[in-house]
Amino acid sequence: GESVGLHLPTLSVQEGDNSIINCAYSNSASDYFIWYKQESGKGPQFIIDIRSNMDKRQGQRVTVLLNKTVKHLSLQIAATQPGDSAVYFCAENIDSGGYQKVTFGTGTKLQVIP
Amino acid sequence: DGGITQSPKYLFRKEGQNVTLSCEQNLNHDAMYWYRQDPGQGLRLIYYSQIVNDFQKGDIAEGYSVSREKKESFPLTVTSAQKNPTAFYLCASSIDRANYGYTFGSGTRLTVV
Repeated sequence: GESVGLHLPTLSVQEGDNSIINCAYSNSASDYFIWYKQESGKGPQFIIDIRSNMDKRQGQRVTVLLNKTVKHLSLQIAATQPGDSAVYFCAENIDSGGYQKVTFGTGTKLQVIP
Repeated sequence: DGGITQSPKYLFRKEGQNVTLSCEQNLNHDAMYWYRQDPGQGLRLIYYSQIVNDFQKGDIAEGYSVSREKKESFPLTVTSAQKNPTAFYLCASSIDRANYGYTFGSGTRLTVV
């Protein structure tokens, strides 16, 4: 079946450095992708999204890159801060007859070293 | 402020008991969802509801039940038929089923004792 996954389960980054979190997806029909941040004991929060007709989208300190050729999605966080420590996961969306079928990845834990 | 409220934050269940997790939203969203989160796995859909008095099974509905009597409320009951209920449960809502944007609650951690 189709699935969404992450390459690295844990990422440790020095404060101030840039972080890159990766996600592989296998369904070429996916048309929309979202990155979520989940802090311990809390619900996921939307970070940034990208549609399949784009290859890059920037937000505040975050950038999402989409490479449809290799079905790869990445989240870049600039100047990583201690408050960025959390689990990050991607989600792919497929339009299934007008309704959105969402598949979530397993997550990468980002640890920021002060 | 608009949002989704889940309660309780922590819940303990004895073997053979049914327990109900609360989810309330004041976002005026039509669609609501229940997900289960286990370590090392992505969120898995238990049930969803597109409109009041209607709900559909997700990928792992066995051992769970829901109701949607009011637009604002989508409670989840974990029944004794659920063999491995210990998990983190997340409720979410979106404007409608065709809408991408999910708002999540803060979750309920259920532990079987």
